[in-house]
Amino acid sequence: AQSVTQLGSHVSVSEGALVLLRCNYSSSVPPYLFWYVQYPNQGLQLLLKYTTGATLVKGINGFEAEFKKSETSFHLTKPSAHMSDAAEYFCAVTRSGGYNKLIFGAGTRLAVHP
Amino acid sequence: GAVVSQHPSRVICKSGTSVKIECRSLDFQATTMFWYRQFPKQSLMLMATSNEGSKATYEQGVEKDKFLINHASLTLSTLTVTSAHPEDSSFYICSASNRVDYEQYFGPGTRLTVT
Repeated sequence: AQSVTQLGSHVSVSEGALVLLRCNYSSSVPPYLFWYVQYPNQGLQLLLKYTTGATLVKGINGFEAEFKKSETSFHLTKPSAHMSDAAEYFCAVTRSGGYNKLIFGAGTRLAVHP
Repeated sequence: GAVVSQHPSRVICKSGTSVKIECRSLDFQATTMFWYRQFPKQSLMLMATSNEGSKATYEQGVEKDKFLINHASLTLSTLTVTSAHPEDSSFYICSASNRVDYEQYFGPGTRLTVT
């Protein structure tokens, strides 16, 4: 079975500050890991994903995440927050290969203050 | 590329009526589509997985006779909420996958309100 835990349902940062959103996963098989962003009343947009290869993955809008197998973590970071980064962020895991359902974390709402 | 649309974006219906939501992959062939439900300030809950030309696979606890899913072509899947009740009010999101990268591409969602 797979699961995702996002620590912190709400994170608040100042504009220009570091963004760190935490995600830990549980999986008995090699996972594929994803971060999605959701703006109000919209669908999900993929920020980045880890499948195989390099453990530090870079995504859109300056975000990146590092897959740490030993810590079962896939934390999302951005060096400098923008006001436009305020949104809901979801971490998700799936099994590698083929059509597999995504298991989502509960989400983290990011607020960015001037 | 990999654009998924949903129609309507917002719908209000009366209790007891049925409502159909369409999910279309606009620029790729979606061999598999997924339907999710999202309650306010909560995460996405997978309702069912549908493969083109076959019956949908429903998640535990999801009533297949209430949430009818059809995936008749490689670009269209529909979710019909039958005999809707106020508790069915929610945000419904679909996603579509192809055989190239198996990644799920999400639609913009449909806000259903049952009065």
